[in-house]
Amino acid sequence: EVQLVESGGGLVQPGESLRLSCAASGFTFSNFAMSWVRQAPGRGLEWVSGLSGNGVGIYYADSVKGRFTVSRDNSKNTLYLQMNSLRAEDTAIYSCARNVLSWGGSPMDYWGQGTVVTVSS
Amino acid sequence: EVVMTQSPAALSVSPGERATLSCRASQSVYSNLAWYQQKPGLSPRLLINDTSARATGIPARFSGSGSGTEFTLTISSLQSEDSAIYYCQQYYNWPPLTFGGGTQVEIK
Repeated sequence: EVQLVESGGGLVQPGESLRLSCAASGFTFSNFAMSWVRQAPGRGLEWVSGLSGNGVGIYYADSVKGRFTVSRDNSKNTLYLQMNSLRAEDTAIYSCARNVLSWGGSPMDYWGQGTVVTVSS
Repeated sequence: EVVMTQSPAALSVSPGERATLSCRASQSVYSNLAWYQQKPGLSPRLLINDTSARATGIPARFSGSGSGTEFTLTISSLQSEDSAIYYCQQYYNWPPLTFGGGTQVEIK
């Protein structure tokens, strides 16, 4: 059974940092691209970042480029999102999702339950 | 960036009736279009990919059609459990992957 479990969310002040993790199980992790998608309270879905299965292809939304860094450790079946210089508008539920292909230009067929990030002073 | 626009924003349909949801792309995404269902408090579930291919385990009452810039998700006979928000997403011109704003489907 495919499982994705996020952790690392919390309440931080503007300008601070957080590191999210997504532990994957039930599939060959390195065969699939992975994405981070966020959903602000009462809002729709926003793709944040993606990473190819081999970790070479790295992609970001303009809204987080230069502040967020995505990475993966295929030996640990874990995806990460380092979030620096956080802003109030980054407040959202952050979910990791598995892309259906090894590269990021594909739909997402499994999603974690998400971890809540709140940026507030 | 490809902007995805969904209509209507909300839809109220009686059980057993047909629901038709629309999604428009600001430029052609060919057939690289997916649909997701999200129920309150839950993660999105992939319903349709490549415009019309149902994902594993998705009931046949869900169907997708369209190409280029105009797409449709049809729920042929609405069930009570279909009450949810439905999102379209393009994956042709990326990054970024982009989603529509969603259509809320309510059961009358």
